[in-house]
Amino acid sequence: AQSVAQPEDQVNVAEGNPLTVKCTYSVSGNPYLFWYVQYPNRGLQFLLKYITGDNLVKGSYGFEAEFNKSQTSFHLKKPSALVSDSALYFCAVRDFNQAGTALIFGKGTTLSVSS
Amino acid sequence: DSGVTQTPKHLITATGQRVTLRCSPRSGDLSVYWYQQSLDQGLQFLIQYYNGEERAKGNILERFSAQQFPDLHSELNLSSLELGDSALYFCASSTNPGQGLPGELFFGEGSRLTVL
Repeated sequence: AQSVAQPEDQVNVAEGNPLTVKCTYSVSGNPYLFWYVQYPNRGLQFLLKYITGDNLVKGSYGFEAEFNKSQTSFHLKKPSALVSDSALYFCAVRDFNQAGTALIFGKGTTLSVSS
Repeated sequence: DSGVTQTPKHLITATGQRVTLRCSPRSGDLSVYWYQQSLDQGLQFLIQYYNGEERAKGNILERFSAQQFPDLHSELNLSSLELGDSALYFCASSTNPGQGLPGELFFGEGSRLTVL
C-alpha cells in the first residue's frame, strides 16, 4: 500500500538557520511526491512536487526537496528559515491503489521558527 | 487565494442531523476531491469526482455521499451525524483527468463541522 511517513511531529529551528522536514515513502510504482503547507485556519497550499527528473526539486517560498530513491526519502529543505515559515507541513504521495489521482498525506510536521 | 470556494466556513449541528457542504472548483478544473481533517486521523481522502462521474473512493463512510453537478460544483452530504464526524472538511480541485500523471491539488479553506 502507498504511504508516507513524517517521523517528526514538530521541528524547531532558529530564524536564519537551515531547516529540514523529513518524509519517507512507500509506493508500489513510480513515486509521485508532493509537499504542502497549511497555515492556521487555512487550506493546504502546494509547495513543490517530484514526478521525474532532477532529484532536487525547487518550489515556492525558497523551499526545495531532495528525492532519494535508495533511502525512499523526500525531505523538505530551506537554506535560511523565516519566522513566517512557521506552519504545518504535509508530505503526500499519489495513491496508486485508486483509479483516480488522489493523494495520500502524512500526519504532518509542525515547523516552529523562533526569532 | 486558491480559487476553490467552500461553503459554509463553519457549521454547528446536533447528532443525528444531516448537512450539505458545497464546493466550487477552480475555473476549468474537472476533478474535485473531498478530504476530512481531524486531529486523530489526519488528512483522510474521502472521494474524487471527475467531470460529474465518481472516479475514486477513499475512506468515506456509508453515511456520507457526494456528487458533482454539470456546472462542476460538488456537494458532500453527511447524514446521521455523530460526534466523531466533527472535523474540517476540505475540497480540492485539479485540472488532471482521472488517470495519468498527477498534478497538484488546489485546496479550499475548508468547512469546519462541529457536531454537538
